[in-house]
Amino acid sequence: GEDVEQSLFLSVREGDSSVINCTYTDSSSTYLYWYKQEPGAGLQLLTYIFSNMDMKQDQRLTVLLNKKDKHLSLRIADTQTGDSAIYFCAELHLTGAGSYQLTFGKGTKLSVIP
Amino acid sequence: SQTIHQWPATLVQPVGSPLSLECTVEGTSNPNLYWYRQAAGRGLQLLFYSVGIGQISSEVPQNLSASRPQDRQFILSSKKLLLSDSGFYLCAWRGLVKWEAFFGQGTRLTVV
Repeated sequence: GEDVEQSLFLSVREGDSSVINCTYTDSSSTYLYWYKQEPGAGLQLLTYIFSNMDMKQDQRLTVLLNKKDKHLSLRIADTQTGDSAIYFCAELHLTGAGSYQLTFGKGTKLSVIP
Repeated sequence: SQTIHQWPATLVQPVGSPLSLECTVEGTSNPNLYWYRQAAGRGLQLLFYSVGIGQISSEVPQNLSASRPQDRQFILSSKKLLLSDSGFYLCAWRGLVKWEAFFGQGTRLTVV
């Protein structure tokens, strides 16, 4: 079955770069996503990348995709205290029933130290 | 623009009582709709998804059911809540044109 793995915790100092890593198993993944969840809130879509792309940059966010290794990363440049949250990796794949589904990792809790 | 509404934001219900959580989407048509539960371990568990009116697929056997009476309305229900139904319930939608999936703000359900 489909599986998405992330490390559970990451601590960085304010101003440093954060790199959150994710691995997935489904080679038929079409899109891969990064979501941010602040305490008590829903998931906010940060960015996504199509599976035939290697990199996508959006302001302070850089997504790198290594499709061969099924490895996705999110780099946050100049990390701020407001970036403290849980970050979820997710992949979209076509099921045997012909529908598209999202599978999420368990989330990485990013703590930014002032 | 597309928006998703989910309510209530918090709910405390006694064991054995019924449940109805509602999710509606605006600004799009024929979205794929999802219900997820996020338990204490932080992972998201897919409960139900729907590709159209009256079309519901269940991912895990449980005490819950879902219905989609209208194109942009998705309802999560239970006839009798269990303590184990406590959690954070999230509704999400995915458009067919853009490959973006958006979430509601969630409902914190506590069964006592």
